[in-house]
Amino acid sequence: GDSVTQMEGPVTLSEEAFLTINCTYTATGYPSLFWYVQYPGEGLQLLLKATKADDKGSNKGFEATYRKETTSFHLEKGSVQVSDSAVYFCALGVSQGNLIFGKGTKLSVKP
Amino acid sequence: GAGVSQSPRYKVAKRGQDVALRCDPISGHVSLFWYQQALGQGPEFLTYFQNEAQLDKSGLPSDRFFAERPEGSVSTLKIQRTQQEDSAVYLCASSLGVARGGTEAFFGQGTRLTVV
Repeated sequence: GDSVTQMEGPVTLSEEAFLTINCTYTATGYPSLFWYVQYPGEGLQLLLKATKADDKGSNKGFEATYRKETTSFHLEKGSVQVSDSAVYFCALGVSQGNLIFGKGTKLSVKP
Repeated sequence: GAGVSQSPRYKVAKRGQDVALRCDPISGHVSLFWYQQALGQGPEFLTYFQNEAQLDKSGLPSDRFFAERPEGSVSTLKIQRTQQEDSAVYLCASSLGVARGGTEAFFGQGTRLTVV
């Protein structure tokens, strides 16, 4: 069945470091791909999405490109900030609209 | 409302007790989803409503779980005879139109259920 595998954390970085969180997926058809973020004490929020192959989603300095050939949707940011500390979830959108999530990656950014 | 609201935020239940978890979606949102998130895991789909119709309940883990959305707005997830393995955060999400694969869902903060 459809599934998402993402890099296990926790990930600890210094401020201004480069971030990559790996995400790969298994799916039938051509799903949409998402990154959701959960800041401490808050609900899940959509960070970015891509709906077809080669699309790049971007928001708040984060980017991810939908790579069909490698079934990947890796999250990147060139220079992280302390305020980026959160749990990041990669997700796959199935046809009826519900999401299949990865296990989440906790990011801690130190000043 | 401004966002998806869930209540209570925290619930402690004794094993065997019945619980009811409430979700107020964003006003006018057609689609509503329930997810279960165990500690250290990603959310897992439980059930989906389009207005008042429950179109998919394939993720409900047992017949002790029941969800309803009788008037197409507020939804309640009920768990009967709670067990320790039911301990998790229960998330509700809504989206504006009929949900499709690329539709953005808006999540509530969840209800943390602890069964003792």
